[in-house]
Amino acid sequence: SQQGEEDPQALSIQEGENATMNCSYKTSINNLQWYRQNSGRGLVHLILIRSNEREKHSGRLRVTLDTSKKSSSLLITASRAADTASYFCATDVRGSARQLTFGSGTQLTVLP
Amino acid sequence: GAGVSQSPSNKVTEKGKDVELRCDPISGHTALYWYRQSLGQGLEFLIYFQGNSAPDKSGLPSDRFSAERTGGSVSTLTIQRTQQEDSAVYLCASTTDSNYGYTFGSGTRLTVV
Repeated sequence: SQQGEEDPQALSIQEGENATMNCSYKTSINNLQWYRQNSGRGLVHLILIRSNEREKHSGRLRVTLDTSKKSSSLLITASRAADTASYFCATDVRGSARQLTFGSGTQLTVLP
Repeated sequence: GAGVSQSPSNKVTEKGKDVELRCDPISGHTALYWYRQSLGQGLEFLIYFQGNSAPDKSGLPSDRFSAERTGGSVSTLTIQRTQQEDSAVYLCASTTDSNYGYTFGSGTRLTVV
């Protein structure tokens, strides 16, 4: 099964609203990363949060990490139509060969 | 180059033919990864190269799949005797350290007919 599972699978909101996506994982991690993908092509790295961090901000993005619950959330504030994309969490698993394990993604649609 | 370059961007091949997919990582990135993404799905890890170490091939789905990385730079993923279930987008990524995230190429969309 996937190490990271995003929730919800799909999310549709109006421009200007906030979007929250969640990620759960199963094993101890070194860090957790969020990526964005447009049109089924290459992924773009958005933000990384280390296992000893609880919250991180980057522009309109806010990521939280709760290692006791093995979960993370990505908040996009004041969403724009251009934020429409698929968002994936990826975990860098402790003790692994340092390859990221990706979840199945959340498809975000921001309506103008 | 400035980013990770993959070629071809699209490939249509007949069932049973062999295909080669190329990845040119960012100069100086020691780690290179291949992933596969089927339509509407997440990324499936295939293979990982780190410097001169033996590659981690644990994700390759069958012995029809192989990859090499020459001179620690360009990598080629080869699929022999392609099957329809091999149809997917094949993504390559590179990094200096996974603590800094990966840089992905735009992928090769493989269609086996």
